[in-house]
Amino acid sequence: QKEVEQNSGPLSVPEGAIASLNCTYSDRGSQSFFWYRQYSGKSPELIMSIYSNGDKEDGRFTAQLNKASQYVSLLIRDSQPSDSATYLCAASVSGNTPLVFGKGTRLSVIA
Amino acid sequence: DTAVSQTPKYLVTQMGNDKSIKCEQNLGHDTMYWYKQDSKKFLKIMFSYNNKELIINETVPNRFSPKSPDKAHLNLHINSLELGDSAVYFCASSQATQLHFGNGTRLTVT
Repeated sequence: QKEVEQNSGPLSVPEGAIASLNCTYSDRGSQSFFWYRQYSGKSPELIMSIYSNGDKEDGRFTAQLNKASQYVSLLIRDSQPSDSATYLCAASVSGNTPLVFGKGTRLSVIA
Repeated sequence: DTAVSQTPKYLVTQMGNDKSIKCEQNLGHDTMYWYKQDSKKFLKIMFSYNNKELIINETVPNRFSPKSPDKAHLNLHINSLELGDSAVYFCASSQATQLHFGNGTRLTVT
């Protein structure tokens, strides 16, 4: 059973702080990892993808992957109230297999 | 120029009815999906089609029947609706692994 685990939260951080979101996955064959952001009542939108061990930075977002520990994380620097949303972690074995999603972590950034 | 569009946005119906949700993508992607998101935000794959061919059916009751008339369309027909079918249904497409989602259809069964 392929699973992706996330802490459901809510995770509350003050404005300007770093929000750290974590995710673990069970399938060692997973090769591709994604973070999606979903605002209430909206569809998920991709914010980061990562395929190899280490860090990947894009603006205020940094994704971290550790395949040995089967661990993916997302750091959001200088958190803003507009970052308040549910963050979904997803993993895939290959391009032909659908993404398996975690249950999401709800982030609340307090002004 | 919406990339993945699904209709209707909202669907309210009674138990036992049959309903359909339509999805179209204009991205030229080969693969399309239906995901179900429950009230706790858990997104779970239901079906995956590649070039009109069913490649994944994830233990979904056979009351759910997807149909792909061409690779740009993937519709979902649901027979004999049950209360537990209430959820948001997302259509998505991909060329590799990155998913592009439609806006979702909120189905409420009363």
